[in-house]
Amino acid sequence: DSGVTQTPKHLITATGQRVTLRCSPRSGDLSVYWYQQSLDQGLQFLIQYYNGEERAKGNILERFSAQQFPDLHSELNLSSLELGDSALYFCASRGATGLAGEESGELFFGEGSRLTVL
Amino acid sequence: AQSVAQPEDQVNVAEGNPLTVKCTYSVSGNPYLFWYVQYPNRGLQFLLKYITGDNLVKGSYGFEAEFNKSQTSFHLKKPSALVSDSALYFCAVRALPSVGRYSSASKIIFGSGTRLSIRP
Repeated sequence: DSGVTQTPKHLITATGQRVTLRCSPRSGDLSVYWYQQSLDQGLQFLIQYYNGEERAKGNILERFSAQQFPDLHSELNLSSLELGDSALYFCASRGATGLAGEESGELFFGEGSRLTVL
Repeated sequence: AQSVAQPEDQVNVAEGNPLTVKCTYSVSGNPYLFWYVQYPNRGLQFLLKYITGDNLVKGSYGFEAEFNKSQTSFHLKKPSALVSDSALYFCAVRALPSVGRYSSASKIIFGSGTRLSIRP
């Protein structure tokens, strides 16, 4: 058990709909990362938050947005869903143990949310 | 731009033989390099990392990785493969933030993954 919790585990919805994926990081971790894993594209970095603020952005579509709340949990919002958005969405957290520790720290991944868009 | 390449989609090894999963990287400055493993329907699990120091890094489950700066490689190795090592393996690199950005900002870029299959 990594200590990172993601809900829901599975989600089936229709094109054009909007969904919210939720992530609770490990206790005390300030950084939250979101990744998308699809069959043909590997693991794609979407966005990173640190203590409530966006800190790094990857290949995140404009239809997608995220935020990190004061209690450090994070939500990934996916709107106007398309068939190609079907994927596993992972959240990962990393601790803050001082500048060097934070920069070198490994990620702890949740079990993922599997989104199927029909 | 920072990037990670795993040139092999699949590696097949007989149980008991040594295994190598290849990874090369491109990053500004000193790299922080990682290996993760993913079992079916599970999240990624950390195996090992290179930050600085000894080029040979030892990790979980008997795995080790060798950092080679001149070849910009970080290959994952194990002296004797087990059937239970069969899984998807990802190499990752920490990418430095843009100049002027927060030090706590860091993209961690993953390779495309290599499926390791160990036959009995």
